[in-house]
Amino acid sequence: DADVTQTPRNRITKTGKRIMLECSQTKGHDRMYWYRQDPGLGLQLIYYSFDVKDINKGEISDGYSVSRQAQAKFSLSLESAIPNQTALYFCATSDGPGVEQFFGPGTRLTVL
Amino acid sequence: AQSVTQLGSHVSVSEGALVLLRCNYSSSVPPYLFWYVQYPNQGLQLLLKYTSAATLVKGINGFEAEFKKSETSFHLTKPSAHMSDAAEYFCAVTVSNSGYALNFGKGTSLLVTP
Repeated sequence: DADVTQTPRNRITKTGKRIMLECSQTKGHDRMYWYRQDPGLGLQLIYYSFDVKDINKGEISDGYSVSRQAQAKFSLSLESAIPNQTALYFCATSDGPGVEQFFGPGTRLTVL
Repeated sequence: AQSVTQLGSHVSVSEGALVLLRCNYSSSVPPYLFWYVQYPNQGLQLLLKYTSAATLVKGINGFEAEFKKSETSFHLTKPSAHMSDAAEYFCAVTVSNSGYALNFGKGTSLLVTP
């Protein structure tokens, strides 16, 4: 089984809908991250979390919220989706600075 | 803040030729640097990382990178390209004031021609 899983893998939704993307990990890592990938822009940080009670905004958090339900689960929500949130979303985990981040397979989100 | 710049959004090489993907970094503190690869419709996989232990870093699939402080560079190389190397490559640096999240370059798409 994969160490970092994301559901759903693909989602098409309409403008104004609320949507949640879920991430689960079996690595036992405390740190979890949500990134967004747009063609030609690389990946940008949306939110990160050190533990259940420590959640922090990244560089592009507007329009997004997160929930860390447990050490292993970190969800990303779009309260009212808009078309420019169409992107590939990745969850990642790590257990400290200077070490590898492990990425999930990504969720491809399309907002019509 | 720490950042990286990847030079060249597309690189094309012939099979068997040298692969050179360029990355320059900006950091006021000793950086942690990474190269990740993304194959079509897949997530990101770590190729190699620099964490100050050695300036020449060897990674998976025959890739290596050299940390050059004087040039603020961390270029990725492979002596002989294979068709299977065609992918998107990302250079990244950890950002100390964002929970050591990764700040990625915009990526370089590598095309390998027969």
